[in-house]
Amino acid sequence: QKEVEQNSGPLSVPEGAIASLNCTYSDRVSQSFFWYRQYSGKSPELIMSIYSNGDKEDGRFTAQLNKASQYVSLLIRDSQPSDSATYLCAVNQFYFGTGTSLTVIP
Amino acid sequence: GAVVSQHPSWVICKSGTSVKIECRSLDFQATTMFWYRQFPKQSLMLMATSNEGSKATYEQGVEKDKFLINHASLTLSTLTVTSAHPEDSSFYICSATSESTDTQYFGPGTRLTVL
Repeated sequence: QKEVEQNSGPLSVPEGAIASLNCTYSDRVSQSFFWYRQYSGKSPELIMSIYSNGDKEDGRFTAQLNKASQYVSLLIRDSQPSDSATYLCAVNQFYFGTGTSLTVIP
Repeated sequence: GAVVSQHPSWVICKSGTSVKIECRSLDFQATTMFWYRQFPKQSLMLMATSNEGSKATYEQGVEKDKFLINHASLTLSTLTVTSAHPEDSSFYICSATSESTDTQYFGPGTRLTVL
């Protein structure tokens, strides 16, 4: 069974700080990794995808992938109150973690 | 671009009735559509994958006779929850991909409440 694990949180950070979200997965041969943001009562919105080891940056977001450790993370720089949401990690497109709830405190 | 709609956005029904949820790709041809279910505070769980013109592929543990999926065109897939019961109350979300990308475009979701 493919498992994707995330700390459910809640994670609270002050406005302007860096939020760090982590995800581990069990399927060693996983090839694609996705981070989504989901507001309460809404469907997920894709933030970014990553396929290779290392860092990938997109604006204030940086995804980090370490396949050897089966670990993928998302850093949000200069966190804003509008970033307050649940962040879902997905592996191989369809296998989602339970999400980490992030609150950015003004 | 890449907009996916769902209808209805919410529905309340009585136990034992059937409910149909539509998923449409508005500005692209969706070769594959996916149906998910999400219970409160839980993850999205893939229920089934449907390709236009062929039978849906269901994930393990999902009853194909209870959750009927039809993907009759490249822009429309429907999920029918037959003989719904309170335990079927959930947030149902569809997504779609096209031939040119593996990116999933999610619909806004349908909140089903079975009384």
